[in-house]
Amino acid sequence: DAGITQSPRHKVTETGTPVTLRCHQTENHRYMYWYRQDPGHGLRLIHYSYGVKDTDKGEVSDGYSVSRSKTEDFLLTLESATSSQTSVYFCAIRPGQASSYNEQFFGPGTRLTVL
Amino acid sequence: EDQVTQSPEALRLQEGESSSLNCSYTVSGLRGLFWYRQDPGKGPEFLFTLYSAGEEKEKERLKATLTKKESFLHITAPKPEDSATYLCAVQAGGSYIPTFGRGTSLIVHP
Repeated sequence: DAGITQSPRHKVTETGTPVTLRCHQTENHRYMYWYRQDPGHGLRLIHYSYGVKDTDKGEVSDGYSVSRSKTEDFLLTLESATSSQTSVYFCAIRPGQASSYNEQFFGPGTRLTVL
Repeated sequence: EDQVTQSPEALRLQEGESSSLNCSYTVSGLRGLFWYRQDPGKGPEFLFTLYSAGEEKEKERLKATLTKKESFLHITAPKPEDSATYLCAVQAGGSYIPTFGRGTSLIVHP
C-alpha cells in the first residue's frame, strides 16, 4: 500500500461545470502523476509534478490544469468539463529520487462521468 | 517516439494451462521496463521492473524476461485469481515518464 487516496471515487457532472479531483499521499514522495484510462487507449499522462509548485504537461493536457501547493496533495482541475473527459482518472507516485527507483504506484482511481 | 505494443489483446486459458504475454517496445536507451497487474475497478499494481536484456524476475506463478526488443510475462499453471489485465510500460533514459501499452486481458477458467 503506497498510501495514496483519491477523492471523490465517483462523480457525475454536467458539461461546462468545473471539476476538481484530489490525490493525497502520506509518504512525502516528490513525483506525482495524473493519468486517464480509456478503452482502446490505455493509460495516458495528463500532467505530472516533480515538487511543490513544479508541474509539467503530459500528452493529453488540453482542458486540464493541476496544482500542488503541498507535497502530499496533487489536484487535477477540469475547468469546463466536456463529455470527452468522461474517463477513469488515476493518480500515481514515484518513490525515490535516484534512477534506481522508477516504478510507479497507483491510487484506486476516480470514475468521472460528464453528461 | 517510444512505443509499446502488447499482444495478444485478450487471452483465455484453462486453469493450469501455461502461456506467455508479449510486450514489444522501441525506446531510446531503456531505463526500465515495468509490468503491472490491474484488476477491474482498481488501479494498476506494480509487479516487476527489468533493466537490461537477459534479466529475469519471478513472483509466484509469474516470470518476466527481457530482451533488447521485447519482454515476456510467463504464467505457469495459472489459477482463476490470476485473471486480470496485465500492463507493460517502458521508460527511456533521461525521462521520468513511462509509456504504457494497452494491456492484455487475461481470463483463467476453472
